[in-house]
Amino acid sequence: SAVISQKPSRDICQRGTSLTIQCQVDSQVTMMFWYRQQPGQSLTLIATANQGSEATYESGFVIDKFPISRPNLTFSTLTVSNMSPEDSSIYLCSVETGVKSPEAFFGQGTRLTVV
Amino acid sequence: RKEVEQDPGPFNVPEGATVAFNCTYSNSASQSFFWYRQDCRKEPKLLMSVYSSGNEDGRFTAQLNRASQYISLLIRDSKLSDSATYLCVVNISGGSYIPTFGRGTSLIVHP
Repeated sequence: SAVISQKPSRDICQRGTSLTIQCQVDSQVTMMFWYRQQPGQSLTLIATANQGSEATYESGFVIDKFPISRPNLTFSTLTVSNMSPEDSSIYLCSVETGVKSPEAFFGQGTRLTVV
Repeated sequence: RKEVEQDPGPFNVPEGATVAFNCTYSNSASQSFFWYRQDCRKEPKLLMSVYSSGNEDGRFTAQLNRASQYISLLIRDSKLSDSATYLCVVNISGGSYIPTFGRGTSLIVHP
């Protein structure tokens, strides 16, 4: 299993500013995932963060808007840059453990409101 | 067509009822399947994996039909505490585990 500490849990930000979300894992993991979940919607993968290499972004997400750091195997940050109200959402980090039957564990989520 | 599709519901059932959720996936190369539960304002948590032979965990039964690319979750004897959103999750990539989530099915169990 894995325990993930994600912070902040929530924030209200002015448009045009940036917010950095942090996730700390209690064990070393190769891949960390960042998701966005808008109200009533499913989780949408933003990017996959590997330690020692650049993150891999999904279609519709770019590094300039969502820069990610992965300095070691237990930590990652996601920055939401130049925020607009459309960025209001829940952001979740996740790791997977297990090989034959992988299970995803999630941070508690960051509820972001941009005003 | 979305990669993983679920009926969003909500399903509104009385305590003790049996309720079934369905999920379809579009990528025939998908290799692993899961049901997650997400409570309001909480992160998703694994409910159960779905195996080809089907599997049961107490009141919960999950089944996989690869030919029809279909996954189901059956909840028997519903409890009030079962009220949540149930997410169907499919591992699309065979190598690395990069899960794809359905939008979730909301269940409301009432007294």
